Amino acid sequence: AQTVTQSQPEMSVQEAETVTLSCTYDTSESNYYLFWYKQPPSRQMILVIRQEAYKQQNATENRFSVNFQKAAKSFSLKISDSQLGDTAMYFCAFMKRSSNTGKLIFGQGTTLQVKP
Amino acid sequence: EAGVAQSPRYKIIEKRQSVAFWCNPISGHATLYWYQQILGQGPKLLIQFQNNGVVDDSQLPKDRFSAERLKGVDSTLKIQPAKLEDSAVYLCASSLVAGASYEQYFGPGTRLTVT
Repeated sequence: AQTVTQSQPEMSVQEAETVTLSCTYDTSESNYYLFWYKQPPSRQMILVIRQEAYKQQNATENRFSVNFQKAAKSFSLKISDSQLGDTAMYFCAFMKRSSNTGKLIFGQGTTLQVKP
Repeated sequence: EAGVAQSPRYKIIEKRQSVAFWCNPISGHATLYWYQQILGQGPKLLIQFQNNGVVDDSQLPKDRFSAERLKGVDSTLKIQPAKLEDSAVYLCASSLVAGASYEQYFGPGTRLTVT
């Protein structure tokens, strides 16, 4: 069975600063995807960034980037130039690379507060 | 493009009562998911539909939970009878088809409180 662990329940950062959220996972699968989702207060969960395990290059999306360490089973999210709108709960998630399932396995989440 | 719609947004019931949640996915999305998000935890998949067939319901408590997706579009999730531990946000998501290459789009959720 796969597990995803986020060890930081809450974090805070000053506006314009950089923050890194941690995530570790456990799996015996060799082909999988990792995701970071953002859930703003009282709003829909949205996808922030996706990493394919067979790709060594770390994914980036504008101010968001990941540090994917496959051997260590670590998948951290770096937010650069933090903005007030980044305040949200962030979830790390795992998905097996399979043709007929889209099952996401989520971590417990990290609440990020961006302070002005 | 309209997003995933869910109703009601909030529901308060007493234990042993029944409740139903409705989800309307994005038009054309074949895959629909129901997740349960208990306070302080990440969402957990309850059931996944591909069109109107069930792909995965391994974590659905079938003695009290049921779900259907008639005609492969809208879906209803029912709890009967509810327990205190069912208090959670129930999220519906949809994707064009199943798989990691296809983004899952989430609805706003239904917050259920069982007293």
